[in-house]
Amino acid sequence: GQQLNQSPQSMFIQEGEDVSMNCTSSSIFNTWLWYKQDPGEGPVLLIALYKAGELTSNGRLTAQFGITRKDSFLNISASIPSDVGIYFCAGPYSGGGADGLTFGKGTHLIIQP
Amino acid sequence: GAGVSQSPSNKVTEKGKDVELRCDPISGHTALYWYRQSLGQGLEFLIYFQGNSAPDKSGLPSDRFSAERTGESVSTLTIQRTQQEDSAVYLCASTQRLAATGELFFGEGSRLTVL
Repeated sequence: GQQLNQSPQSMFIQEGEDVSMNCTSSSIFNTWLWYKQDPGEGPVLLIALYKAGELTSNGRLTAQFGITRKDSFLNISASIPSDVGIYFCAGPYSGGGADGLTFGKGTHLIIQP
Repeated sequence: GAGVSQSPSNKVTEKGKDVELRCDPISGHTALYWYRQSLGQGLEFLIYFQGNSAPDKSGLPSDRFSAERTGESVSTLTIQRTQQEDSAVYLCASTQRLAATGELFFGEGSRLTVL
């Protein structure tokens, strides 16, 4: 099936630093999504990208849909403690006619005091 | 309630026992998904229900796993003869228009520990 590779697997940063993470796919996606999971919660959608080359911002978050349609990037500027969590990229799931999402393994963001 | 509700939030069981996990989706959401989140493994798709269509069971890891959904409401995920490798967080999600928005609404999950 489709595989999404996220990197880095984890990040240890200081408050105020900028963060960059990315996701690559073995196949083309028409939609790229970024979700965040807070500790003890379910993932929540942060940003959705629908067009190759698209750059979308949501507050301090900026995400880009790669031109090749096989990658996407998420940047967080001036990190704050509540940014801690797991960030997942996701794309439409294909197989058996199902309509769902395939998720990457996540990037764990840890902010050091 | 307003969001996806899952129960129990935590379940500890002995190897070999059966467990049932419950999901109440958001009212009006026709699509319901179960995912499994193991340590360091991301979100693994298990099963998908859409309205009255036959469910997509392609993600179920073995025949010990099964799920049911009554109409467009509650779903139950059943794991028979649990094994230690079944220990994980089981997440349920629902949506009405995934194709349009890409947004799944997740519950808080049921954490299963098999001793």
